[in-house]
Amino acid sequence: QKEVEQDPGPLSVPEGAIVSLNCTYSNSAFQYFMWYRQYSRKGPELLMYTYSSGNKEDGRFTAQVDKSSKYISLFIRDSQPSDSATYLCAMNYGGSQGNLIFGKGTKLSVKP
Amino acid sequence: DAMVIQNPRYQVTQFGKPVTLSCSQTLNHNVMYWYQQKSSQAPKLLFHYYDKDFNNEADTPDNFQSRRPNTSFCFLDIRSPGLGDAAMYLCATSRGSGEEQFFGPGTRLTVL
Repeated sequence: QKEVEQDPGPLSVPEGAIVSLNCTYSNSAFQYFMWYRQYSRKGPELLMYTYSSGNKEDGRFTAQVDKSSKYISLFIRDSQPSDSATYLCAMNYGGSQGNLIFGKGTKLSVKP
Repeated sequence: DAMVIQNPRYQVTQFGKPVTLSCSQTLNHNVMYWYQQKSSQAPKLLFHYYDKDFNNEADTPDNFQSRRPNTSFCFLDIRSPGLGDAAMYLCATSRGSGEEQFFGPGTRLTVL
């Protein structure tokens, strides 16, 4: 079983839709959870960084962590064509173990 | 703006011809990372520096070396590039281990 599982998509939605992106993980030792957005041929851009179980909101983006289920989500409200990108979840153990373990990424396309 | 800069953005080399990729940061972060990302795959950590302390991932080929002459700069040397080394190489930084990582735009390496 891979450490981090993420549905690669592709996911296609109409403009204005609510998008739900998800990752599951196997190791309960993961402490920190991140979502990155990566446009084609560009570096990943950090969208959300969370530590504890619960929700964190930033504009149209909400990150949700459920440590008991080993499940994290990113919700995008009122999706825009400019949100079309690959979304990568990532997590690490914290402390001296700073290595990020990434999911494979979900490719999202928002159609006008 | 504080940022992570990578040069060049695109690099073409010949099979077996050494190549050096460059990363610089104005964030004054302690940790610098090098990732390899192949098409439609998650970034894979090659190595990282906590300050001057070098940490090599167990499965990073010996063909890959790195140097960090000062806080701001980090280099990735590929001694004898093979066709399988064609990829996007991403540099990232974080203030400390386990903290959020900020990525540069990447260098896309082509091996002929």
